[in-house]
Amino acid sequence: EAQVTQNPRYLITVTGKKLTVTCSQNMNHEYMSWYRQDPGLGLRQIYYSMNVEVTDKGDVPEGYKVSRKEKRNFPLILESPSPNQTSLYFCASENAGELFFGEGSRLTVL
Amino acid sequence: SQQGEEDPQALSIQEGENATMNCSYKTSINNLQWYRQNSGRGLVHLILIRSNEREKHSGRLRVTLDTSKKSSSLLITASRAADTASYFCATDDTDKLIFGTGTRLQVFP
Repeated sequence: EAQVTQNPRYLITVTGKKLTVTCSQNMNHEYMSWYRQDPGLGLRQIYYSMNVEVTDKGDVPEGYKVSRKEKRNFPLILESPSPNQTSLYFCASENAGELFFGEGSRLTVL
Repeated sequence: SQQGEEDPQALSIQEGENATMNCSYKTSINNLQWYRQNSGRGLVHLILIRSNEREKHSGRLRVTLDTSKKSSSLLITASRAADTASYFCATDDTDKLIFGTGTRLQVFP
């Protein structure tokens, strides 16, 4: 089944404790991206990647890192999480302009 | 950056009624898409309409695009309780899609 898989789906952590949210897609898509969704603000792009070893900042990249060592994986790294990074995070891959989203990762930073 | 603005923010209707949601955007586009999101879940692509198209249908969905007014509408006909979700328009920008803040649709049985 074609899908985008994110892990973990839910996470509660504390300020400053590094964490990684993994994202994997099995559709051989070149383009992948990360969004965060916050009430009243909609979806905002954090980072995106056009292909392996190519990553670029989106609209809200501060406090996040990404890597794209393989086509299928695009992990989101929070080196030192802060409470303002509490949010619902979505990974997506793209084909012919259409985005395919993962089920989301709800992150709470205390 | 440009952003789609959906209107209304929330809509409540009875099953069987039609639901219309509108989206306005700010700059020129190549295409506009609509996505659906069930509560807390990932977004699902519904339909894409290109800038040279004025109307597109997919099942009970009808999308219109007016590039002169920089607006689009999504019509869901004969709504069902299962249509309850948030609906987002998205416009293309260099290397990314820009999403609006969405319309929350509630369909009562």
